[in-house]
Amino acid sequence: DVKVTQSSRYLVKRTGEKVFLECVQDMDHENMFWYRQDPGLGLRLIYFSYDVKMKEKGDIPEGYSVSREKKERFSLILESASTNQTSMYLCASSWFGEEECEQYFGPGTRLTVT
Amino acid sequence: AQTVTQSQPEMSVQEAETVTLSCTYDTSESNYYLFWYKQPPSRQMILVIRQEAYKQQNATENRFSVNFQKAAKSFSLKISDSQLGDTAMYFCAFGGRLMNYGGSQGNLIFGKGTKLSVKP
Repeated sequence: DVKVTQSSRYLVKRTGEKVFLECVQDMDHENMFWYRQDPGLGLRLIYFSYDVKMKEKGDIPEGYSVSREKKERFSLILESASTNQTSMYLCASSWFGEEECEQYFGPGTRLTVT
Repeated sequence: AQTVTQSQPEMSVQEAETVTLSCTYDTSESNYYLFWYKQPPSRQMILVIRQEAYKQQNATENRFSVNFQKAAKSFSLKISDSQLGDTAMYFCAFGGRLMNYGGSQGNLIFGKGTKLSVKP
């Protein structure tokens, strides 16, 4: 079974702190994704990566950056956390290519910025 | 641009009854994938069912089935014999060849979700 894990289920940080959210997958997937999930807004793509050291902006990249130094690990970084970044953050991974774009999700990190 | 619309923010159903969740999408592609994902309260998002657009037969997975109407761009999920464990957020998602940023396929567009409550 595919396993996607995230470093924390719950996280509380202060405004202005630098925050790291980590995601690891064990299926050798090329693609990895970071979403934020807010009530009434569904899932919105922040960043994704289709290879080591490659990254592409999604729909809402402002205030975030990412790092992918190893194929299995994809980190989301909040350079200076703000209260409007309080949200649920979901990581996902998938194979590269047209045929199989099913994504596998981690358990999520609920981040609260105070 | 592709869009996915779930018009029912919340629904409820009695245990053992059948419920249908609606999803419509917009695309100019002819071949693509559609998905229903389930997110139980405080639990991981998992895939419920997948439909490939070039397949005319509607996908089924045990109590879950879809009604895929390609011309109408409609992809509804039917849950039969609803169980308490079906209580969850359900997300419809679209994935296609044109869904790429920087040359990579594999991105999905998600609807805003339908919160389903199964009542005893």
